[in-house]
Amino acid sequence: GENVEQHPSTLSVQEGDSAVIKCTYSDSASNYFPWYKQELGKRPQLIIDIRSNVGEKKDQRIAVTLNKTAKHFSLHITETQPEDSAVYFCAEDSGAGSYQLTFGKGTKLSVIP
Amino acid sequence: GAGVSQSPSNKVTEKGKDVELRCDPISGHTALYWYRQSLGQGLEFLIYFQGNSAPDKSGLPSDRFSAERTGGSVSTLTIQRTQQEDSAVYLCASSFSRLAGGRITGELFFGEGSRLTVL
Repeated sequence: GENVEQHPSTLSVQEGDSAVIKCTYSDSASNYFPWYKQELGKRPQLIIDIRSNVGEKKDQRIAVTLNKTAKHFSLHITETQPEDSAVYFCAEDSGAGSYQLTFGKGTKLSVIP
Repeated sequence: GAGVSQSPSNKVTEKGKDVELRCDPISGHTALYWYRQSLGQGLEFLIYFQGNSAPDKSGLPSDRFSAERTGGSVSTLTIQRTQQEDSAVYLCASSFSRLAGGRITGELFFGEGSRLTVL
């Protein structure tokens, strides 16, 4: 079955620095790779996603890059702020137009003021 | 409110009892998912409903777990003979997975979750 490995499990950065979270996947048929943010005690929410026909997508301070050959994708947060502190989950779909998502185990990001 | 609604928000039960968790998805969403999140852990896929297709039950951890989706809308996750290891937050999500504006959208909209504690 699908497997998504996410690293690191925890990450602390100083406010203003950048944060990078990486995920690797095994299903070559996957073509949709979203990232979800879960603040403490709240529901996960989509923050950015990328599809297999592009290599990079950016939305203000967050960006996602995808390397289909190497089967990995990364979340980049620049100029981090305390409100970026949360658990971030990467995910992949099961390909072939399906939207069953398999999530990584999450990265707890702490932004230190 | 047009979001995904789950009930109960909290449930405490004794080991061996059955529990039912309800999910009311966003109107018009064709896909519905159940995930389980244990303390400090990731999102574990349980089951997925897509329209009138047969559900994908591949994530259900044992035959004590079952789920239904009636009329393509409300879903109920049932856990029979609960065990302490079933304690977790059970998250429901729905998705509008058809072509929209020329682009297939697969964003999952999560509910607040049902926190289950088995004593």
